[in-house]
Amino acid sequence: GENVEQHPSTLSVQEGDSAVIKCTYSDSASNYFPWYKQELGKRPQLIIDIRSNVGEKKDQRIAVTLNKTAKHFSLHITETQPEDSAVYFCAASREYSSASKIIFGSGTRLSIRP
Amino acid sequence: DAMVIQNPRYQVTQFGKPVTLSCSQTLNHNVMYWYQQKSSQAPKLLFHYYDKDFNNEADTPDNFQSRRPNTSFCFLDIRSPGLGDAAMYLCATSRPGQVNEQFFGPGTRLTVL
Repeated sequence: GENVEQHPSTLSVQEGDSAVIKCTYSDSASNYFPWYKQELGKRPQLIIDIRSNVGEKKDQRIAVTLNKTAKHFSLHITETQPEDSAVYFCAASREYSSASKIIFGSGTRLSIRP
Repeated sequence: DAMVIQNPRYQVTQFGKPVTLSCSQTLNHNVMYWYQQKSSQAPKLLFHYYDKDFNNEADTPDNFQSRRPNTSFCFLDIRSPGLGDAAMYLCATSRPGQVNEQFFGPGTRLTVL
């Protein structure tokens, strides 16, 4: 089955600097890669996703890149702000007709230093 | 607003005392999921329904059961909660097919005394 590895497990960056979180997946048939942000005690919130037919997607300060050949995908947050502090989960999914399961990475706790 | 609702938000039960958590959705999504999330860990899928078709994960303990009486509601039954079952339980929904986005409910935090 699919396995998603995520690094680093913790990340601390200075406010205003960039943060990068990296994930690898094992199932070459995976074609949907969402990223979730989870604040303490709250539900995971989808912040950006990418499908396998594109290599990069950007939404304001957040961007995601995908390298299908290497089975890597990464989250980039620029100009970090205190409200970016949270746990971030990458995930991978293979679409099929009946239902979809997403496989989560182990999470990255991001802390933004003032 | 269309959404995923979980009740209760906080549940305290005693060791071995059965407990039921509920989830409802107004999104009219075919697929509903139950996840268990322990502190500092990723959500762990317990089972999911496609309409009434039930799909159990291989490593989900028999202690966990689920019911989906209709499209809108799904229940998680823990028959004999142990201390290790204390966790956040998240319900999620999705539409099958092209879009895999999962919509999460706010979760129920279960405490086992």
